[in-house]
Amino acid sequence: GQNIDQPTEMTATEGAIVQINCTYQTSGFNGLFWYQQHAGEAPTFLSYNVLDGLEEKGRFSSFLSRSKGYSYLLLKELQMKDSASYLCADYNDYKLSFGAGTTVTVRA
Amino acid sequence: DVKVTQSSRYLVKRTGEKVFLECVQDMDHENMFWYRQDPGLGLRLIYFSYDVKMKEKGDIPEGYSVSREKKERFSLILESASTNQTSMYLCASRSGEEEKLFFGSGTQLSVL
Repeated sequence: GQNIDQPTEMTATEGAIVQINCTYQTSGFNGLFWYQQHAGEAPTFLSYNVLDGLEEKGRFSSFLSRSKGYSYLLLKELQMKDSASYLCADYNDYKLSFGAGTTVTVRA
Repeated sequence: DVKVTQSSRYLVKRTGEKVFLECVQDMDHENMFWYRQDPGLGLRLIYFSYDVKMKEKGDIPEGYSVSREKKERFSLILESASTNQTSMYLCASRSGEEEKLFFGSGTQLSVL
């Protein structure tokens, strides 16, 4: 997605917290997805935000600000298995457009 | 659980060959999608389909075509494969009532 911007890489320590930011174009916006993709595997759904605010789902939370065109995914109590690529995607005109993804590396 | 199955995990083809990538979903989903995934570019939409025999161009349809003769099956066709079509191809589906996509495991295509 040309209109989706997220950092390329992030590194954190096991047990720590990491926040992955995502910005998008607000025109025609309907919702914001986060997917997780382990190397060589299919992307799997993490969250979908339509309304402003924070949605918590276990160790993972997702935040949306529609007026600012901004979202973040918060990963708490990081585990080694959280090492993966995290994809931000906006839902617009019945289609999902993806960012390039953020590769998170969790170190012991 | 929704299952989206792509027929090949790895595929090696020669330049100029006609290539078929097959995708089958078992949840009676109306909508199906083909993306390609390249490092640094993320997932880019090639084609999608809202129903049988219907197709819509995505963001990068050039060099590709699709076929949806049955609801459960969505095929991506490379009429004459080129080296710049070497990529990971991901199929996805969703129902008409929700926005969430379910992805297949992908086909890594190498065109030599």
